[in-house]
Amino acid sequence: QSALTQPASVSGSPGQSITISCTGTSSDVDVYTYVSWYQQHPGKAPKLMIYEVTNRPSGVSNRFSGSKSGNTASLTISGLQTEDEADYYCSSYTGSSTWVFGGGTKLTVL
Amino acid sequence: QVQLVESGGGVVQPGRSLRLSCAASGFTFSNYAMHWVRQAPGKGLEWVTVISYDGTNKYNADSVKGRFTISRDNSKNTLNLQMNSLRAEDTAVYYCAKGRGVGSGSFGDVWGQGTLVTVSS
Repeated sequence: QSALTQPASVSGSPGQSITISCTGTSSDVDVYTYVSWYQQHPGKAPKLMIYEVTNRPSGVSNRFSGSKSGNTASLTISGLQTEDEADYYCSSYTGSSTWVFGGGTKLTVL
Repeated sequence: QVQLVESGGGVVQPGRSLRLSCAASGFTFSNYAMHWVRQAPGKGLEWVTVISYDGTNKYNADSVKGRFTISRDNSKNTLNLQMNSLRAEDTAVYYCAKGRGVGSGSFGDVWGQGTLVTVSS
């Protein structure tokens, strides 16, 4: 159950687009569609932003989108806003009814 | 509204036990798998354990296998986490999180506010 690999930090200016990658293995991201993305502001609980690679829960802005290619999933945020500044985590189902998270990416909106 | 509220956190000595609870409301609790996720201070999220909607299936991360036991009482809309043989590295905020539905491998559309467990002598 090794953690998925995310960049430690990314940054962008308001209005720009950024992409956060999440690299797994042939045992998780590559073979399952159960990849999710969570946003976490300091001191707050995580919030589900994307599930099953590309799906947005009700109420999540369409500025957030997800994709996957092979063993790497990606979260793209377009039209960056200051309130998007937060930590972002990916997760994947790994089989055998277990899950794994990425190490997290700190997004700074400059 | 849909809500999860954890309780039971606190300071505990290494080797001792602690039981966390998560009270659910606003949705049909018995229809959903439930998860525990933890976050050590200043660190990332770690998936801990899951229980099926009816309590018959339970799975743990390797880091807590043999020490932590998840359970649920669907008559009381309550999820529990029994933590035994606690170690310093179990110090974390513990969150309960709702599964997205029967057969779904996604979770976390609802989270609790978290409860802090500190393992220290």
